[in-house]
Amino acid sequence: AQKITQTQPGMFVQEKEAVTLDCTYDTSDQSYGLFWYKQPSSGEMIFLIYQGSYDEQNATEGRYSLNFQKARKSANLVISASQLGDSAMYFCAMREYGGNQFYFGTGTSLTVIP
Amino acid sequence: NAGVTQTPKFQVLKTGQSMTLQCAQDMNHEYMSWYRQDPGMGLRLIHYSVGAGITDQGEVPNGYNVSRSTTEDFPLRLLSAAPSQTSVYFCASSYLLGQGMYEQYFGPGTRLTVT
Repeated sequence: AQKITQTQPGMFVQEKEAVTLDCTYDTSDQSYGLFWYKQPSSGEMIFLIYQGSYDEQNATEGRYSLNFQKARKSANLVISASQLGDSAMYFCAMREYGGNQFYFGTGTSLTVIP
Repeated sequence: NAGVTQTPKFQVLKTGQSMTLQCAQDMNHEYMSWYRQDPGMGLRLIHYSVGAGITDQGEVPNGYNVSRSTTEDFPLRLLSAAPSQTSVYFCASSYLLGQGMYEQYFGPGTRLTVT
């Protein structure tokens, strides 16, 4: 079974609008961490935001926030006030605390339209 | 700090050739890993290491070997290249910040084509 599922291969958003990128995960562990990475066309992987399974508050980092719904096993990334530079691939990932591996989803390609 | 470095950036191989992708980090991280990225597949873990002398297989280890003789270096060897190994390869290192949070740093990637 897939550990991380990203069901949106591609998304479009108007500049200055907010956009939500979906991520669901599968684990039987109680302790885990969820991550989002950005990959621009230049190819590097950039860490954006982290949410721990025991964190009660949704994580925020500037214009990025993580909508964490533990019961639904979802960890959606919300980008507010989209900018042209936000056009990129976005990957959701998980690491179980007792494990040694990061699991990545297949990614969502976001295009910001001027 | 140079972070995570990978060489080469690009490589073309013929089927059956062998080669080593180099990865080094100068952050004294214990954990290092190799991923491959294929269109529509995301990043898939090939091999990882939790410290010098310790390696383990990830999701797609066939056709690849690794070793970890030092904390800094984690080379990936292709034993007999096949067209199915055409991909972009990322090396990453990470360390435990605390409370389960791992900071993972990626190298710039190696684009490998096998003809």
